Amino acid sequence: DTAVSQTPKYLVTQMGNDKSIKCEQNLGHDTMYWYKQDSKKFLKIMFSYNNKELIINETVPNRFSPKSPDKAHLNLHINSLELGDSAVYFCASSQEGYPETQYFGPGTRLLVL
Amino acid sequence: DAKTTQPPSMDCAEGRAANLPCNHSTISGNEYVYWYRQIHSQGPQYIIHGLKNNETNEMASLIITEDRKSSTLILPHATLRDTAVYYCIGFNAGNNRKLIWGLGTSLAVNP
Repeated sequence: DTAVSQTPKYLVTQMGNDKSIKCEQNLGHDTMYWYKQDSKKFLKIMFSYNNKELIINETVPNRFSPKSPDKAHLNLHINSLELGDSAVYFCASSQEGYPETQYFGPGTRLLVL
Repeated sequence: DAKTTQPPSMDCAEGRAANLPCNHSTISGNEYVYWYRQIHSQGPQYIIHGLKNNETNEMASLIITEDRKSSTLILPHATLRDTAVYYCIGFNAGNNRKLIWGLGTSLAVNP
C-alpha cells in the first residue's frame, strides 16, 4: 500500500485555469504538508496542517488554498494559474510530535502553459 | 535554524562506502541534524537523524563531530540505487518546527 499518494502525477494546463491536487496518507499521521520544488530544485514548504488545522502558512499567494477534509487528506487548490506556478508539488505527512521525520508522496508535476 | 553547507556533487564506486560531509558550524545545542535523500523523480526520503551521538540504522550511519559543527553520512556499501541528492538539514525542536532545505549533494554511484 502506498503510504502517501498524490493525484494527478502530471498536470498540464493553461494560464488562468483553476486546478486541484489531492493528497492522501494512510499512515495515521496527524500532520500533513505541501511543498513546492522549483526548477532549481529548492524544496520550500508552503503549508502545514495538524488535525485539519492550519499551523504553517508560508508566504504563498492567496491563489493557493489548502483544504483538509479530514486528517488523512490535504488537498491543494490553485486559482488563476500562472507560468511561475510550474513546479513539482510534494505532499508529506508526519506523526504528531515528530514533524522532522516526514514521509513524502511521489509528487505532482505541474506545467502551466 | 542552522545553516548547513554541503558539496554540490560527489562520486562513489559501487560497493564502496560513500561518505557525505555536511558543515553546520552555527548549529545550536538543541538542534538535530537530519538527513534525507531524493532519488530522481521521487519524493524525498528520510534517512537518519542525530543530536550528538553517532547513529546507525538499516540505511546509513551518521557520525557527528564532538563540537557538533559537522557531520558525515556514511552509506557503507553504495549501490547504483543510492544515486540521489542527499540533504543535510538542521532542525530546531523549538517553536519554528519546520525543515529548511538546501540544495544538497548530488551523489553519483558508478558501476
